[in-house]
Amino acid sequence: NAGVTQTPKFRVLKTGQSMTLLCAQDMNHEYMYWYRQDPGMGLRLIHYSVGEGTTAKGEVPDGYNVSRLKKQNFLLGLESAAPSQTSVYFCASSPVGMGKNIQYFGAGTRLSVL
Amino acid sequence: AQSVTQLDSQVPVFEEAPVELRCNYSSSVSVYLFWYVQYPNQGLQLLLKYLSGSTLVKGINGFEAEFNKSQTSFHLRKPSVHISDTAEYFCAVSLASGTYKDIFGTGTRLKVLA
Repeated sequence: NAGVTQTPKFRVLKTGQSMTLLCAQDMNHEYMYWYRQDPGMGLRLIHYSVGEGTTAKGEVPDGYNVSRLKKQNFLLGLESAAPSQTSVYFCASSPVGMGKNIQYFGAGTRLSVL
Repeated sequence: AQSVTQLDSQVPVFEEAPVELRCNYSSSVSVYLFWYVQYPNQGLQLLLKYLSGSTLVKGINGFEAEFNKSQTSFHLRKPSVHISDTAEYFCAVSLASGTYKDIFGTGTRLKVLA
């Protein structure tokens, strides 16, 4: 019963490097989200998707891109990493209908940009 | 637009004592309200939710919350805490219709002392 799986769990990048974070969910959820969590700031929405092939900007989208080519996967890309992107990144998913407001989270990816 | 305020960033409490974590929200339309818990090095998981009906909501692990529309609050309570309740707690709000995005508070770190 995997739920939402994020890979990798940890990553260290140098400034200017690129990387992709993968989120996979096995619950057939329509909606998927990427958040970053920083001390004292709670969770801030980066990008989200309301279905396969669709993406939209959240609260803090700059410096990130996303893709949802398959319903179960939601990728977050950093094209040129900056120290300000050091954070813990969480992916979440939620179903349609009555449960659409309940989000299921992955365990997070801890990213350090040097 | 809606917003969420968690007034206390940290709450220390002795084991077996009661605790209340405060959450206030702002919205001009009806909302759904949630409390999530994040244990160390894990993702968030749903503790309880208020969608409609009874204003007293019971969740997992003996927690409960009361929706107070006049005071726009949704405070979380537990009559007797355990060491294992040490975690960060997030209040979240989403519009009751037409959206699938949550707004999260900045979190309250509950530390239970022996």
